[in-house]
Amino acid sequence: DIQMTQSPSSLSASVGDRVTITCRASQSINSFLNWYQQKPGKAPELLMYGASFLQMGVPSRFSGSGSGTDFTLTISSLQPDDFATYYCQQSYSALLTFGGGTKVEVK
Amino acid sequence: EVQLVETGGGLIQPGGSLRLSCAASGFTVTKNNMNWVRQAPGKGLEWVSVIYSGGTTNYADSVKGRFTISRDNSKNTVYLQMNTLGAEDTAVYYCARDNMWSYNRGWYMDFWGKGTTVIVSS
Repeated sequence: DIQMTQSPSSLSASVGDRVTITCRASQSINSFLNWYQQKPGKAPELLMYGASFLQMGVPSRFSGSGSGTDFTLTISSLQPDDFATYYCQQSYSALLTFGGGTKVEVK
Repeated sequence: EVQLVETGGGLIQPGGSLRLSCAASGFTVTKNNMNWVRQAPGKGLEWVSVIYSGGTTNYADSVKGRFTISRDNSKNTVYLQMNTLGAEDTAVYYCARDNMWSYNRGWYMDFWGKGTTVIVSS
């Protein structure tokens, strides 16, 4: 199975901060990497697909980059609605796997 | 409007069986791959199973041989039959639709249901 490792597992930030979350795959996954946001008690929601494509309706302050094994999700200016847990997920392998999640908390 | 509604969760004793349902509306389940993803209490997301648009299936190693995914095209519903349940299967189970940005591997889950809770306990 392809292992997905996210860092950090949690971070504290303030509104307006630039936030970067990293996701590393245990082998090359090309650009088959997706990002999801999940708020407590809610289902995950798709943010980015194909490493850098923004899902329709997602604010442009979110961006994604990377290919191969190393990927990043960046929030350019953190907003109150962005405090949540973020997950990466690979679709290169038929056995899909998620990263462990990064919780973005209020500083 | 795309909607996914999961039902069938509940409290079940270890070793028991349960069948989850995912009723879809706004699209046809035979046109998209459909996934089950679960989340244990306080834990991250774990992919469980997929039924591809063509009807073939795949499973995470943790459930292979115990869980079976299927669909009823006439009801536009996807199922997850879960057998030999253990405490490690306690989780919220989500149904999620796949969409594709690149042929063959470029899948992403663009719509999710609200989930149904399965608790395995005596």
